[in-house]
Amino acid sequence: DAKTTQPNSMESNEEEPVHLPCNHSTISGTDYIHWYRQLPSQGPEYVIHGLTSNVNNRMASLAIAEDRKSSTLILHRATLRDAAVYYCILGGSARQLTFGSGTQLTVLP
Amino acid sequence: GAVVSQHPSRVICKSGTSVKIECRSLDFQATTMFWYRQFPKKSLMLMATSNEGSKATYEQGVEKDKFLINHASLTLSTLTVTSAHPEDSSFYICSAGTSGGLRGDTQYFGPGTRLTVL
Repeated sequence: DAKTTQPNSMESNEEEPVHLPCNHSTISGTDYIHWYRQLPSQGPEYVIHGLTSNVNNRMASLAIAEDRKSSTLILHRATLRDAAVYYCILGGSARQLTFGSGTQLTVLP
Repeated sequence: GAVVSQHPSRVICKSGTSVKIECRSLDFQATTMFWYRQFPKKSLMLMATSNEGSKATYEQGVEKDKFLINHASLTLSTLTVTSAHPEDSSFYICSAGTSGGLRGDTQYFGPGTRLTVL
């Protein structure tokens, strides 16, 4: 399985944008890039996913590099409720997702 | 996003008993379901992959006779922890995926089941 690399932790101030980076230099052509986030004692929550083009939804935006070897999850205005562990994962719906250690996002009031 | 439910949300049992955890996809048909376990402050670890109507595929080190998985329909998969022991205490999470359509290309996770074995 292709591996992803994320910073262990990041901090952001409330109501400011947050850019969470992810490197995936060994991504294959069929791998989707998925982002999930997890709060303590809860299952991972789907945030966004994409293949090649940038994606936007009500939660976030996903910017994918042209060579697909990196991507950035963008939270446009961080709130305290966005504090969580964010996982960047490669795969598909019918293929296993391998979770790394993710990025612990702390949002400061 | 798609809704995946798990039941129960938490269970406490005595050592030696069996516990069944249900995972349901509520608004889509899941061709594949996955079971994970997560220890405190650790990431999710895949235990097994199940496809509807066929035997589950277990990850290395996961005992198939201890963790029985049944995927009887496109909306239901069950995980039974047989003869549970304290070391089986963990947070168990399922996910469901489908290919194609509006729900295709990604997976959706249940809220998790906290198992405590006394």
